[in-house]
Order: sequence, then C-alpha cells, then structure tokens
Amino acid sequence: GAGVSQSPSNKVTEKGKDVELRCDPISGHTALYWYRQSLGQGLEFLIYFQGNSAPDKSGLPSDRFSAERTGGSVSTLTIQRTQQEDSAVYLCASSLETVNYGYTFGSGTRLTVV
Amino acid sequence: GDSVTQMEGPVTLSEEAFLTINCTYTATGYPSLFWYVQYPGEGLQLLLKATKADDKGSNKGFEATYRKETTSFHLEKGSVQVSDSAVYFCALSYQGGSEKLVFGKGMKLTVNP
Repeated sequence: GAGVSQSPSNKVTEKGKDVELRCDPISGHTALYWYRQSLGQGLEFLIYFQGNSAPDKSGLPSDRFSAERTGGSVSTLTIQRTQQEDSAVYLCASSLETVNYGYTFGSGTRLTVV
Repeated sequence: GDSVTQMEGPVTLSEEAFLTINCTYTATGYPSLFWYVQYPGEGLQLLLKATKADDKGSNKGFEATYRKETTSFHLEKGSVQVSDSAVYFCALSYQGGSEKLVFGKGMKLTVNP
C-alpha cells in the first residue's frame, strides 16, 4: 500500500481482556517496528522485526505483550490481560532496510483500557 | 545507554518568528540523527536527517546540522508559519546492534497568526 496502515484506529477494552493490534507495512519494507506513545512519556520502543524474525524485543514491557510478523508483511501486537497502564497510542513503522532510511509511521491505534 | 534530550516546551511563537529547538544526544558510537514531526491528528513524519558529522539535513525551510563536537542536532527555521504548529521529536539511531530509534520526549510548537 501507499502507507503504513494500522487497525483498529481506536480500541476500548475492559481490564483483563486480550487485544490484538494490526499493522500492514509499506510493500517491500523489510523492517517493521512497534512503539508506544503515552502522554508525557514520548515514544517507547517495543519490538523490531527484520523479515519475520525479531532481533530486538527488548522493549516489550512484560510477558503479557507479544508480537509476530508473517510473510514478511503484516504484524500483530497482542496484549493479554490488559491493564489500565497499557492505555496508550500504539504506533507501527516500517523502513526499507535499515533505520538510516528513516521510518514511515502509521497513524496508530489508540488503546483505552477501562 | 543512548539517549536524546530536547526542549520540551510547549512553545508559542508568532508567525514569521525565528525558531530553534535544541537537541543533544548521548551515544557510544556514531549515530544517525533525525527530526520527526507530528501534525495535529496525524502520524509522525520524517522531517530531516543527517547520517554523519557536519552533515546538514534540510526540508520545508527547516535545517539541522550534526555537530559531533557538541553532540547536538538543533532544529532551526528562519520564519515559522501557522502550518508549522506541531510536535517535534529529535531521535537517534541506536548503536547497540538494533535498528531502533531512540526519541526525545517531543516539543509542542504553536504558531499564532
């Protein structure tokens, strides 16, 4: 596609439920990244994919968070047993090969845990 | 570890004013440096970048020069417009073997007519 597509754009969920967030990167971009943007906290790195493998998942806050990427394309970020502190905007970005090309970000998924 | 420190604002300027947003970094190697911008209701966009010392990135009237001696990458624009109202993020490419970017906390700029 022309840009990075994320869905849903907004998600309200009850505490304790599982959620799945989807990212569809730009076609041909081998690198994919997930970040979290919280009010006053800036952008927090979560995980980096190169192809289908994740060389760096050091930013995942707990084992409730997981992500996968299939076919070198679509990625899903799953949060199990959501907590109120998980409320944030989850951003996906893709890059042609390496970070020095610069990222293209999606518009994000705003997650609210009530 | 690698980190970025930038002015947090918020900052309010009048149209045609001069803009400087300070950004300094700490890194063990030689990172690439970036400025990203987030306009109201939109996603982050790459504004400009510099990949080595003394490089100058420029776009849309904005400029930033990679200064290794002062570990800085300050963003400047000579005459801001209302349409420049946005949140500006400074970032560096992490040198620890990953491809991630490390971002500053962002600075909100409002330009009034």
